[in-house]
Amino acid sequence: DAKTTQPNSMESNEEEPVHLPCNHSTISGTDYIHWYRQLPSQGPEYVIHGLTSNVNNRMASLAIAEDRKSSTLILHRATLRDAAVYYCILRALHSGGYQKVTFGIGTKLQVIP
Amino acid sequence: ETGVTQSPTHLIKTRGQQVTLRCSSQSGHNTVSWYQQALGQGPQFIFQYYREEENGRGNFPPRFSGLQFPNYSSELNVNALELDDSALYLCASSLRDQETQYFGPGTRLLVL
Repeated sequence: DAKTTQPNSMESNEEEPVHLPCNHSTISGTDYIHWYRQLPSQGPEYVIHGLTSNVNNRMASLAIAEDRKSSTLILHRATLRDAAVYYCILRALHSGGYQKVTFGIGTKLQVIP
Repeated sequence: ETGVTQSPTHLIKTRGQQVTLRCSSQSGHNTVSWYQQALGQGPQFIFQYYREEENGRGNFPPRFSGLQFPNYSSELNVNALELDDSALYLCASSLRDQETQYFGPGTRLLVL
């Protein structure tokens, strides 16, 4: 299974944009790039996903490199509620139709007031 | 719309015992996945159920088993508990052909 590499931790000042990088150099052509975040004492929460094109939603933007070997999650204005562990994961559709999702250790984002 | 719920929230067992964890999927979701999350680690995929059948499994031994019921709720059973089974167990529901998984809050299991 393709793996992702993220920095263990990052800091951001409140109200400033945050760019969270992810490398996935062994991504296959049919792997979707997903981002989830996990707040303390909660289950992971879906943030955004994409295949080839950049994506925007109300929570964040996802910028995908042209060769798809890296991506960046962009939080446009960090708030204290955005402090969480952010996981960049690849969703591989295996034979039989099941969707395996492999998590790494993620990036712990600290937001400084 | 009801979210994913899990029970119990916390559980303490001793080595060698058996445990059953429960998950209620989000309304209408026909697929459920189970994950194990050790302290400081990301969730690790255990298995996935679709229409009451297991249709995918991660690197977990057979003593980890599951069930999915007609109402799409699910159980995770772990036999012969080991100390290393202490973890947060998460279930996630989804629709088979959609990208997004919705996670429950998890059950924290401690094996002594």
